[in-house]
Amino acid sequence: GNSVTQMEGPVTLSEEAFLTINCTYTATGYPSLFWYVQYPGEGLQLLLKATKADDKGSNKGFEATYRKETTSFHLEKGSVQVSDSAVYFCALSGDDKIIFGKGTRLHILP
Amino acid sequence: EAQVTQNPRYLITVTGKKLTVTCSQNMNHEYMSWYRQDPGLGLRQIYYSMNVEVTDKGDVPEGYKVSRKEKRNFPLILESPSPNQTSLYFCASSLRGKLTGELFFGEGSRLTVL
Repeated sequence: GNSVTQMEGPVTLSEEAFLTINCTYTATGYPSLFWYVQYPGEGLQLLLKATKADDKGSNKGFEATYRKETTSFHLEKGSVQVSDSAVYFCALSGDDKIIFGKGTRLHILP
Repeated sequence: EAQVTQNPRYLITVTGKKLTVTCSQNMNHEYMSWYRQDPGLGLRQIYYSMNVEVTDKGDVPEGYKVSRKEKRNFPLILESPSPNQTSLYFCASSLRGKLTGELFFGEGSRLTVL
């Protein structure tokens, strides 16, 4: 069946550092891929998405590219801010359901 | 403002005392779903609904019931809560069903069962 695996956290970085959060997936067919973000005390909200191979999703300085050959959708940001501290979830939407990874907690130190 | 509203946001109850967590969306979405979030386990789907009067089990439906009598509302019912249902619950909705993945989430309901 479909599945999503993302790197375990917590990830702690200093402000202005480069961020990568790894996400790989297993799926039949051609899923859409997503990153959701959960700020403290809030529900999840969609950060970015990609619907086909080689698509790049981007929002708020974050980017992720749909790599079919490596079945990956890694989240990157060139310079993180304290306000980026949150939990990030990779997700896929395939033929039967939406599947979330377990989430990666990100701490940004000033 | 487009939103998914859950109530209550916080609840402490005792084992066996029936409770309902309400969920309402104002976006005319067809698809609605309930998740629970637990440390180390991420988000797990409890039940979902593709449209009015259509509901299906998710990954962890045991101990829960749902109903979808109106498009905007999707209440989660715990008939006889137990301590292992202590969790953070999220309701979510989507315009065109489960395949799009673009879910709108409520702010969550933190439930403690003693």
